[in-house]
Amino acid sequence: AQKVTQAQTEISVVEKEDVTLDCVYETRDTTYYLFWYKQPPSGELVFLIRRNSFDEQNEISGRYSWNFQKSTSSFNFTITASQVVDSAVYFCALSEVEIMTIQGAQKLVFGQGTRLTINP
Amino acid sequence: GAGVSQSPSNKVTEKGKDVELRCDPISGHTALYWYRQSLGQGLEFLIYFQGNSAPDKSGLPSDRFSAERTGGSVSTLTIQRTQQEDSAVYLCASSLGVAGGLTDTQYFGPGTRLTVL
Repeated sequence: AQKVTQAQTEISVVEKEDVTLDCVYETRDTTYYLFWYKQPPSGELVFLIRRNSFDEQNEISGRYSWNFQKSTSSFNFTITASQVVDSAVYFCALSEVEIMTIQGAQKLVFGQGTRLTINP
Repeated sequence: GAGVSQSPSNKVTEKGKDVELRCDPISGHTALYWYRQSLGQGLEFLIYFQGNSAPDKSGLPSDRFSAERTGGSVSTLTIQRTQQEDSAVYLCASSLGVAGGLTDTQYFGPGTRLTVL
């Protein structure tokens, strides 16, 4: 069965510090997708990134970077020079490709989330 | 363009009553999903619709839960005879629905916070 583990329940850092959010997943499939979502206090889940299992290149987007390592089944998320606006709950999620059934539509399996607080 | 919208934003009901939650997906998105977010269970999948195909109801927790999608657009999640454990935030998402065995990105609405007294 699929499983996503975010071992860090809460993290609190001071503004401008770098912070890494861990995500470890379990899947039997060779083809799958990994996601990160941000949930600010307003409650809406905001999409951050999608990565497929065949692409292990790390990605950087501004202050955000992602490290995908298939060998350790991890997809970690780093925020560099954190800001107060980064305070939110961050979710890692996994989906598996169902080629023979409904194409494109997938159910996401989420981790429990990491509550990140950036203090001024 | 407009994102996923959900109504109502908050719903308080009494145990045993039925409730209906509404979701308007992003225009042009053929796939629509319902998730539930509660303190004890985290974010869990409930049901999804893809085009005209039969929905995947595998995540619905009991037969008190049902959902429909009319005209391939708006969806309604109905909970009958609500129980206190149904209290949660119900999130709706939509995606383009990409052919060829590729998954695509789900975009979420703001959710409906349901409180069952």
